[in-house]
Amino acid sequence: GAGVSQSPSNKVTEKGKDVELRCDPISGHTALYWYRQRLGQGLEFLIYFQGNSAPDKSGLPSDRFSAERTGESVSTLTIQRTQQEDSAVYLCASSNGGGYTFGSGTRLTVV
Amino acid sequence: SQQGEEDPQALSIQEGENATMNCSYKTSINNLQWYRQNSGRGLVHLILIRSNEREKHSGRLRVTLDTSKKSSSLLITASRAADTASYFCATVRLSGNTPLVFGKGTRLSVIA
Repeated sequence: GAGVSQSPSNKVTEKGKDVELRCDPISGHTALYWYRQRLGQGLEFLIYFQGNSAPDKSGLPSDRFSAERTGESVSTLTIQRTQQEDSAVYLCASSNGGGYTFGSGTRLTVV
Repeated sequence: SQQGEEDPQALSIQEGENATMNCSYKTSINNLQWYRQNSGRGLVHLILIRSNEREKHSGRLRVTLDTSKKSSSLLITASRAADTASYFCATVRLSGNTPLVFGKGTRLSVIA
């Protein structure tokens, strides 16, 4: 597609429920990244996919977080047993070696 | 951990003035990038400067890089109200095959 697409744009969930966030990167971009941004803060790296290499999961904050990517296309970020501290904007980006192109993010609110 | 630290945290200027934002980082880098974010959602890539470059221009933007001081600056000339946004610097570590590490950003307000 023309840009990075994320869905849903907003998600309100109850504490303890699982959520799945989706990212459609730019076609042909080999690298895909997930970041989290809490209100008024910078971006916190979560996970990075590069081609067929094993993903860099070093930023995932706990084992409740996981992500998958199908080939060089769609990625899903799953948060199990959500907690209020998981409330944030989750941003996906893709690149082909230079600057990143970001999606508009998913605003997750855990109530 | 945060690699880049922007300074100042917030900046308020009049339309037409120049805005300068600074960024310091800790480890050796492959390149440094500046991004802009409106309304807390998606970021827009502004400019990338490689470790062997010292200055780069794009329209009203001028970026400098001093690898000896591990610092960069972003200058926006003749600012406009539409430049109001948060600006982030981000670095790629020397190995190159690593994700961008972002600072906390500078919130720029341009008053018409």
